[in-house]
Amino acid sequence: AQSVTQLGSHVSVSEGALVLLRCNYSSSVPPYLFWYVQYPNQGLQLLLKYTSAATLVKGINGFEAEFKKSETSFHLTKPSAHMSDAAEYFCAVSVAAGNKLTFGGGTRVLVKP
Amino acid sequence: AAGVIQSPRHLIKEKRETATLKCYPIPRHDTVYWYQQGPGQDPQFLISFYEKMQSDKGSIPDRFSAQQFSDYHSELNMSSLELGDSALYFCASSLAGPGRAQTEAFFGQGTRLTVV
Repeated sequence: AQSVTQLGSHVSVSEGALVLLRCNYSSSVPPYLFWYVQYPNQGLQLLLKYTSAATLVKGINGFEAEFKKSETSFHLTKPSAHMSDAAEYFCAVSVAAGNKLTFGGGTRVLVKP
Repeated sequence: AAGVIQSPRHLIKEKRETATLKCYPIPRHDTVYWYQQGPGQDPQFLISFYEKMQSDKGSIPDRFSAQQFSDYHSELNMSSLELGDSALYFCASSLAGPGRAQTEAFFGQGTRLTVV
């Protein structure tokens, strides 16, 4: 079985500041890891994914994440927050291509001007 | 590019009524997943289909059923609706066949079901 823990249900950052969202996973097999973003009343949009290739993954909108097996982590970062980054972010794990996703509890990001 | 289409976008039903949610996957995708997202919650996996056969099952109530049709669209049928069924229901699709599997699923915009 797999699980995901996101530390911090809410994060507040100033515009231009670093965004850091934490995700730790548990999986009995090498995982596939994903970050999705959800804007209010919208669906889930894939930001980036890790699938056993490069451990530093770059995604859309300037986001990137680093897979650290020793720490079972997949934290999401963005060097400079923009007002449009205000949304809810979900980390998710899958044990194989085509398998279901197990999501973390989500982190809501607020960007202050 | 074509995306996952869900209909309706919004649905209001009374307790004990029945609801049917529809999902049209991205063309050529062979796998469909259904997720339920309650208010302030993370999405929870309900059920998935690969090539029209149920491939996995999560925490789906017995009052719910789903199927995938020959054209690969899927329907989620919900009977004896309860207030607690009020949620956002997402459909996602992916290409998961042997030797050509994609690793990510693409989500629709969701159907917001309100049970009153």
